[in-house]
Amino acid sequence: GAVVSQHPSRVICKSGTSVKIECRSLDFQATTMFWYRQFPKKSLMLMATSNEGSKATYEQGVEKDKFLINHASLTLSTLTVTSAHPEDSSFYICSARDLAGGDEQFFGPGTRLTVL
Amino acid sequence: GEDVEQSLFLSVREGDSSVINCTYTDSSSTYLYWYKQEPGAGLQLLTYIFSNMDMKQDQRLTVLLNKKDKHLSLRIADTQTGDSAIYFCAESTYSGNTPLVFGKGTRLSVIA
Repeated sequence: GAVVSQHPSRVICKSGTSVKIECRSLDFQATTMFWYRQFPKKSLMLMATSNEGSKATYEQGVEKDKFLINHASLTLSTLTVTSAHPEDSSFYICSARDLAGGDEQFFGPGTRLTVL
Repeated sequence: GEDVEQSLFLSVREGDSSVINCTYTDSSSTYLYWYKQEPGAGLQLLTYIFSNMDMKQDQRLTVLLNKKDKHLSLRIADTQTGDSAIYFCAESTYSGNTPLVFGKGTRLSVIA
């Protein structure tokens, strides 16, 4: 199946710094990618929908100025956590759907963010 | 909004069958999915079913859908220790660039 990669897989940062997470579709194009956040022992919560060439759509309660999303090309979306706080520590997962494929959404392996 | 419910835990003995259940509220759900998440890993799609189907079988996996009751189940035959993971049920309303709504996940523990 199609492959979605995320980089980095793990990151540890200090409070107040910014962290950028990349989501790439490796062998297909995606006009839309989704960013999810998973809290320990909990389900995945959709944070935002990333649209190529336009602004992301954020879910209610997600601060768009804190979680900056850029979808610069059909194969790359980035999520930047700005001024990170310990409560931002979480597992962030992206997904994408192959434009030319079926209805499956392909998930990246996730990025574990730890903010000290 | 849409809601997807799952029991949180299931424990089975190796070699037995596992049945993980899921209920959803959105009657317009078109696609229903089962994902597997192993410890520390991302999500792996196991299977999905269209709402106009009531059963789908793929090797050891059998998905049953009762659209009237909005109930979905995943049966794993001959459960192995490698099947220990969290299983997420998810639904989407229609195909296309729509996000999935996930249940909280069922943690399957397989006892040797």
